[in-house]
Amino acid sequence: TQLLEQSPQFLSIQEGENLTVYCNSSSVFSSLQWYRQEPGEGPVLLVTVVTGGEVKKLKRLTFQFGDARKDSSLHITAAQPGDTGLYLCAGAPSFGNEKLTFGTGTRLTIIP
Amino acid sequence: NAGVMQNPRHLVRRRGQEARLRCSPMKGHSHVYWYRQLPEEGLKFMVYLQKENIIDESGMPKERFSAEFPKEGPSILRIQQVVRGDSAAYFCASSPVVGGYTEAFFGQGTRLTVV
Repeated sequence: TQLLEQSPQFLSIQEGENLTVYCNSSSVFSSLQWYRQEPGEGPVLLVTVVTGGEVKKLKRLTFQFGDARKDSSLHITAAQPGDTGLYLCAGAPSFGNEKLTFGTGTRLTIIP
Repeated sequence: NAGVMQNPRHLVRRRGQEARLRCSPMKGHSHVYWYRQLPEEGLKFMVYLQKENIIDESGMPKERFSAEFPKEGPSILRIQQVVRGDSAAYFCASSPVVGGYTEAFFGQGTRLTVV
């Protein structure tokens, strides 16, 4: 069974600070996705990374896929209150296997 | 450009009743997945379907749960004889076939409460 551990589980920081969230596994994934989920809503896809070492940027968010495709990180620069939410990583075990394994989640709170 | 549509958003059932959850995928998507999110827990895979076919149901409880994705109409997740432990948020996601990897888009979920 593939597991994805996210850290930290909870993070509360002041507006304007930088932060990094980690997603780690002992298993290799063919692709990895990051989602953000608001209370009472479904997860919203932020990014998909596929290649080991890949870096993708989405405005103030930077996503990196580990060289071995076992881990990923999400870095937010100059956090804003609108970044508050539950951040989830999810991995697909192999191409053609569509079953996503979700991480444990990081609940982020940005304090104005 | 409608996203994944789930209904109802909220569903209350008494123990022993049946619950039917519906999911219409995004236009052009032929793959549907159902996930369950228990309170304070992560999303757990339940079942993966394509039109008229169940591809992977390894996450479905063996009893009382079933899913279908007919040729016409939405995908249905059916829970018979519901129990309190079935109370959860049920999310549907859909994806196109994109370069061999999954990119799943989620609906807003159906929150099932069993009383």
